[in-house]
Amino acid sequence: EPEVTQTPSHQVTQMGQEVILRCVPISNHLYFYWYRQILGQKVEFLVSFYNNEISEKSEIFDDQFSVERPDGSNFTLKIRSTKLEDSAMYFCASRVQPATGMNTEAFFGQGTRLTVV
Amino acid sequence: LAKTTQPISMDSYEGQEVNITCSHNNIATNDYITWYQQFPSQGPRFIIQGYKTKVTNEVASLFIPADRKSSTLSLPRVSLSDTAVYYCLVGDPYNNAGNMLTFGGGTRLMVKP
Repeated sequence: EPEVTQTPSHQVTQMGQEVILRCVPISNHLYFYWYRQILGQKVEFLVSFYNNEISEKSEIFDDQFSVERPDGSNFTLKIRSTKLEDSAMYFCASRVQPATGMNTEAFFGQGTRLTVV
Repeated sequence: LAKTTQPISMDSYEGQEVNITCSHNNIATNDYITWYQQFPSQGPRFIIQGYKTKVTNEVASLFIPADRKSSTLSLPRVSLSDTAVYYCLVGDPYNNAGNMLTFGGGTRLMVKP
């Protein structure tokens, strides 16, 4: 079964450093997403990406964050100047172009656990 | 996106049927109801999606009354491995390239032996 792949599985970084979280979405998918989940809390939407541009972003996704699809296969989330409160699981998801009558499920990766110290 | 309300937690025993109800009073005409499952330290996983009446697949059934203001996820004969958080989401999956997945708090299901 095709899957969304995220690397690394765990990243520890010092406060103030920049991190790049990487995702390889499923190959025929056109919509890409980043979500985060602080320990013990709900899954929060960060950003969606379609047709090589951001289609929607949440209040969380401020100037500290950026996304990129540099080579047609990877989808990255960059966090500049990390803060302690950025510590969370970050999930990448992707889905196909939905067609009426089809399930529109999003496929999630296993996540990257980011720990800012 | 319509807001959803689910019980925070539920307990069950192996072999029982579990029904988790979700309220979505402000559901819009084009909205579908989708359920995801999440195990600890894993990404959410799609379970089932429906628009009205009843949908069944190999793992669950989804019951949606005529007014669509609520829905019920039914898990037949649960096992210990069904212990997870279950999320009900409501949104239009076809006309929005943006965020179609707004997660609420979910229902934490604990299956006991």
